Amino acid sequence: NAGVTQTPKFQVLKTGQSMTLQCAQDMNHEYMSWYRQDPGMGLRLIHYSVGAGITDQGEVPNGYNVSRSTTEDFPLRLLSAAPSQTSVYFCASSYGLEDTQYFGPGTRLTVL
Amino acid sequence: RKEVEQDPGPFNVPEGATVAFNCTYSNSASQSFFWYRQDCRKEPKLLMSVYSSGNEDGRFTAQLNRASQYISLLIRDSKLSDSATYLCVVNKGRRTGNQFYFGTGTSLTVIP
Repeated sequence: NAGVTQTPKFQVLKTGQSMTLQCAQDMNHEYMSWYRQDPGMGLRLIHYSVGAGITDQGEVPNGYNVSRSTTEDFPLRLLSAAPSQTSVYFCASSYGLEDTQYFGPGTRLTVL
Repeated sequence: RKEVEQDPGPFNVPEGATVAFNCTYSNSASQSFFWYRQDCRKEPKLLMSVYSSGNEDGRFTAQLNRASQYISLLIRDSKLSDSATYLCVVNKGRRTGNQFYFGTGTSLTVIP
């Protein structure tokens, strides 16, 4: 199993550009989530999904969209990038709603 | 008030030392508790779950005190490889959408 994979690993955007961060897992996990990690802030939940076709907002959802058309994939879309979205983004999945989360390697995003 | 609070450290300890980290959480209805480890520029990985009765995994012992709403992690006989940031994680359960809340992490450096 590859576990949780994320692409790209690094990305530089200009303010106003849009892009999609990809996340995939091959463990047949129902629960997937996106976090951002900023210095001194810890990991903060952006959006999460409890199964295909079901998504919900986390703590910091503004400026981001998600969809879950399959169990395996959970892409995160930045609609119009802003410098405040410069961060490290982690995707995670778990078998059950309260189970151990497995994280992808992260995407380091810089918005100029 | 933050959902989860940790002393950020840094903790600098010699090899072989015993070190303890504490974490407090704000919501008494919290359901699940974990310690994750994060190496520099890597994704978080589960170190251990924390159970009400306390649990031990080799040199690591985790304890939960629901009355005082804190979680602890004890590392005995510290190794150089234990150098990392340790994240305290709390899940508030189904009523809050099963969101995971992360502390900002405690930095540990084990010195030869």
